[in-house]
Amino acid sequence: DTGVSQNPRHKITKRGQNVTFRCDPISEHNRLYWYRQTLGQGPEFLTYFQNEAQLEKSRLLSDRFSAERPKGSFSTLEIQRTEQGDSAMYLCASSSETGGFSPLHFGNGTRLTVT
Amino acid sequence: AQSVTQPDIHITVSEGASLELRCNYSYGATPYLFWYVQSPGQGLQLLLKYFSGDTLVQGIKGFEAEFKRSQSSFNLRKPSVHWSDAAEYFCAVGASSGTYKYIFGTGTRLKVLA
Repeated sequence: DTGVSQNPRHKITKRGQNVTFRCDPISEHNRLYWYRQTLGQGPEFLTYFQNEAQLEKSRLLSDRFSAERPKGSFSTLEIQRTEQGDSAMYLCASSSETGGFSPLHFGNGTRLTVT
Repeated sequence: AQSVTQPDIHITVSEGASLELRCNYSYGATPYLFWYVQSPGQGLQLLLKYFSGDTLVQGIKGFEAEFKRSQSSFNLRKPSVHWSDAAEYFCAVGASSGTYKYIFGTGTRLKVLA
């Protein structure tokens, strides 16, 4: 168990640029989640995959956000035409499918700053 | 819609004192409940979980939590706080709505006085 890995740890970008983050989950976990966390707030659900299928996407997520998990292993989160309001910590988590809600294992996050 | 409320944004306790962090949830069925801890700049670490059975659950680092269905609460407790417990604590509920989504509270920031 090497844990959930997220890259990069930090990303600074100018408004209007596109950014892509990567998440490598725990290898035997088939569920993968993306959350966004702003200062003083709890993690806010963005989207979730079971294997390669994206099963739910938050209605708060604009069309500028897209996530993929092409082979059911790692996942990428892309933000197009970034805005200052996108500045946040983006957290990835994975869990195993054990017939219910097994605990989420989180990575250390990618902190995005949009200038 | 399912929700999680953590009424205390900040709590300050002295080292060695007892601690209780409050969590209330809104969910029709028996929920899956979790407490996580987050140190600055880090991801979240699981402290404990409740799925069913004994309503008092033990976790890591000496934490425990009690599920009270009548009060829709899942409060986190520790009998004696250590300076290293200073962090942010999040309560979460597994909210099945056809998919397996977890909903988090806004967190409680714990400060420990020496």
